[in-house]
Amino acid sequence: SSELRQPPSVSVSPGQTARITCSGDVLSRQFAYWYRQKPGQAPQLLIYKDTERPSGIPERISGSSSGTTVTLTISGVQAEDEADYYCQSADSATTYKIFGGGTKLTVL
Amino acid sequence: VQLGQSGTELKKPGASVKLSCTASGFTFTTYFFHWVRQAPGQGLEWMGIINPNGGTSYAQSFQGRVNMTSDTSTSTVYMEVSNLRSEDTAVYYCARVYYDTTHGMDVWGQGTMVIVSS
Repeated sequence: SSELRQPPSVSVSPGQTARITCSGDVLSRQFAYWYRQKPGQAPQLLIYKDTERPSGIPERISGSSSGTTVTLTISGVQAEDEADYYCQSADSATTYKIFGGGTKLTVL
Repeated sequence: VQLGQSGTELKKPGASVKLSCTASGFTFTTYFFHWVRQAPGQGLEWMGIINPNGGTSYAQSFQGRVNMTSDTSTSTVYMEVSNLRSEDTAVYYCARVYYDTTHGMDVWGQGTMVIVSS
C-alpha cells in the first residue's frame, strides 16, 4: 500500500530555515499537500499541488518537489511556527487520500 | 466561510454515531467534503469523501462501517460510523475541497470528539 514518510521531529532556532521532507513513491505521480496543526486546533492548509500557496499563507512558507520527495521549507522560523506538520497525497490506484505520519517542528 | 460540526459524543462499544458538518458562507455544491480523524496523540487518518451532488469514496479500512450522506437543503454533510470500538475514540474533522479536488482541504471544521467507552 502507498505510504508517506516524514521525520518525526525537526528542530531549528528562531530566524533559521526549517525543511521538512516527505517521501513516497506516489509523490512522483500525485500532488502533495502540506498542513500545519497547532495543539487543540484543526489542521490548516499551507501548500497545495506541491508548490502553490493558498491566499493568506506568507511567502516564507514554500513547497518543492523532486522525484519521490517533497519538501516544506519555512524561512525565518518564528516561535509561532512550532506545530505538527503533515504531508498528504493520494494513492495512485485508488485515489484514496493518505497522510504522512507528521513532523513536530520545535523552535529552540 | 466556515464548517460547523456537531458536539461531543459519548458512545458504548457496538453503538453507532452520526456526525454533522454544516457549511456556511460559500456555495455548498461546488465543493466535496472529506472526513479525517485523529486519535489522541496520533496523526491524521483519512476516512472518505462525499460529493454533495452524488458519490462517495471510503478508505478501505472503513468500508462497510462508514456511511456519508448530504442534505443540500441545509448545506450539511453527515457521517455515520457503526459498530464503534474503543479504537474509534478520536476527533473527527470535516474539510472541504474544491470540486476539482486539486486545491487541498482549505477549510476545516472545528472537529467533533467521539469517545467510545463502556
